[in-house]
Amino acid sequence: EPEVTQTPSHQVTQMGQEVILRCVPISNHLYFYWYRQILGQKVEFLVSFYNNEISEKSEIFDDQFSVERPDGSNFTLKIRSTKLEDSAMYFCASSTGGVPYNEQFFGPGTRLTVL
Amino acid sequence: AQSVTQLDSQVPVFEEAPVELRCNYSSSVSVYLFWYVQYPNQGLQLLLKYLSGSTLVKGINGFEAEFNKSQTSFHLRKPSVHISDTAEYFCAVIIAQGGSEKLVFGKGTKLTVNP
Repeated sequence: EPEVTQTPSHQVTQMGQEVILRCVPISNHLYFYWYRQILGQKVEFLVSFYNNEISEKSEIFDDQFSVERPDGSNFTLKIRSTKLEDSAMYFCASSTGGVPYNEQFFGPGTRLTVL
Repeated sequence: AQSVTQLDSQVPVFEEAPVELRCNYSSSVSVYLFWYVQYPNQGLQLLLKYLSGSTLVKGINGFEAEFNKSQTSFHLRKPSVHISDTAEYFCAVIIAQGGSEKLVFGKGTKLTVNP
């Protein structure tokens, strides 16, 4: 069964460093998403991406964040200069997309720890 | 703004007992509601969804939920739980605008099934 994969499973970085979180969505999906979950808090929407551009982004998704689909299979989230408060679990999701609702399939997440 | 509230952060139960995980939503527009499950070290998996039609929705693994518009609730139930149901459960609502969709999650309920 096709699934969304994410690498690495755990990333430890120093404050101020750049990190890139990688996701491989399901191959025939067209819409891609990043969510994050700070420990003990809600899963929060960060950004949606379609047709090589951002469809929507949340207030969390500031200039330090960027997303890219560098080739036909990967979808990346870059944090340019990490802060302590960026420590969280980051989930990638993909869907066939469009409205009404199409199921979003989630990856297992990347746990980012900023020291 | 649309949101969901999960009233219980942790629910311990014994094996074969019934369980109800509570979720209340707030929305001024049409509501699409979901329950996701996260097993340890795995991604979010869709359990069931309510889009329209019958208010009693059946999902995977013997779970069901009832959409109650007057009480703005979407509680998740299972008549007899197994050890393998130990996981975190998230209620979510979809917000769709301009061809983009995002999920808004509750804080999650950790279900622990004890022998």
